[in-house]
Amino acid sequence: KAGVTQTPRYLIKTRGQQVTLSCSPISGHRSVSWYQQTPGQGLQFLFEYFSETQRNKGNFPGRFSGRQFSNSRSEMNVSTLELGDSALYLCASSFRDHTDTQYFGPGTRLTVL
Amino acid sequence: AQSVTQLGSHVSVSEGALVLLRCNYSSSVPPYLFWYVQYPNQGLQLLLKYTSAATLVKGINGFEAEFKKSETSFHLTKPSAHMSDAAEYFCAVSVRGNKLVFGAGTILRVKS
Repeated sequence: KAGVTQTPRYLIKTRGQQVTLSCSPISGHRSVSWYQQTPGQGLQFLFEYFSETQRNKGNFPGRFSGRQFSNSRSEMNVSTLELGDSALYLCASSFRDHTDTQYFGPGTRLTVL
Repeated sequence: AQSVTQLGSHVSVSEGALVLLRCNYSSSVPPYLFWYVQYPNQGLQLLLKYTSAATLVKGINGFEAEFKKSETSFHLTKPSAHMSDAAEYFCAVSVRGNKLVFGAGTILRVKS
């Protein structure tokens, strides 16, 4: 079975721009979660989608948004980029809920200049 | 709210020595606990998962972890460290809403 894939792997943007990151889950997995990883804050939960609905959201500003499509693929969008948004963004997929294992993709490294 | 504490941001061991990475959790309900490993410029790879079926959980690459409810701990061990074990290790608890709460991570250095 193919693992979780994320595109692109690397992005460089400037302040004020917006960015869209994509995640394709493992086949059969209906839940997709997003995490931000930074040296200062560690791994932080952004949001989780299940069957095209956002089920849970972390403490991030409204500039961070996401969606999930009928094939379970997910995208996250960050608008009006700030320098502090530079991070590794990780996507994880799981079968259904918190009792299942989350499997992670390789991440998208976003650099904001 | 559930939380995870990893004691020691850096651990250094000699090749062939015991690896012990510490993790304590707080949870009001039986927890689903995980250990993940991250190599440079990569995502997180699952090492093992605790699901209450057994207190001693065996994972990949010779790692194992023991769940101790009385100590609210889930420490990760490996009898003999290899150079390839050098990486960052994260302990996490899974909570409702399918959210993983991570510890701050422990960087393992293996000396030859």
